[in-house]
Amino acid sequence: AQKVTQAQTEISVVEKEDVTLDCVYETRDTTYYLFWYKQPPSGELVFLIRRNSFDEQNEISGRYSWNFQKSTSSFNFTITASQVVDSAVYFCALNDYKLSFGAGTTVTVRA
Amino acid sequence: GAGVSQSPRYKVAKRGQDVALRCDPISGHVSLFWYQQALGQGPEFLTYFQNEAQLDKSGLPSDRFFAERPEGSVSTLKIQRTQQEDSAVYLCASSFGGRGLNTEAFFGQGTRLTVV
Repeated sequence: AQKVTQAQTEISVVEKEDVTLDCVYETRDTTYYLFWYKQPPSGELVFLIRRNSFDEQNEISGRYSWNFQKSTSSFNFTITASQVVDSAVYFCALNDYKLSFGAGTTVTVRA
Repeated sequence: GAGVSQSPRYKVAKRGQDVALRCDPISGHVSLFWYQQALGQGPEFLTYFQNEAQLDKSGLPSDRFFAERPEGSVSTLKIQRTQQEDSAVYLCASSFGGRGLNTEAFFGQGTRLTVV
């Protein structure tokens, strides 16, 4: 069974601060993909990033970066220099063709 | 259309009433998913279609829930004899390919169902 845990329920920061979101997962599969989605108040889930289980290289894409550590089953996500528009609920998910989501972390960025 | 479209956006149903939720996926997308999102929770998988075939319905919570995609495009999620615990946002997602691990799913804005 797939399980994703996001221990942080809410994070509140002031604009321009960095925000790191934690994600821990459980799976018996040897090949899998991890995703991060953003859910703004409008409701639709917006794809942000994905990482496969064979590639532990950390990457940066614009203001987003991620830290994937297979040894600790963690897939953390960082927003650098946060902006008010980043305010949303962020979901980590494990994909075995259907997504298993964590409970989400609500990020509030204050001006 | 440009994105996944769901209707209605909001639905209020009296307990015991039947409801039908519609999903219009991105044109040409083979895969279609339904998820249920309770307040303050992450979405949970309900069912999966590949074209018109319903290949996975393991997440449907009871036999009151029924989904169809008869022509491999538009899908309808039907809930019979609604109960208060059915209150949630129902999200539809589509993706281009079949059951791929790395496939990006595109989500609609959801239908918020409130059962009173």
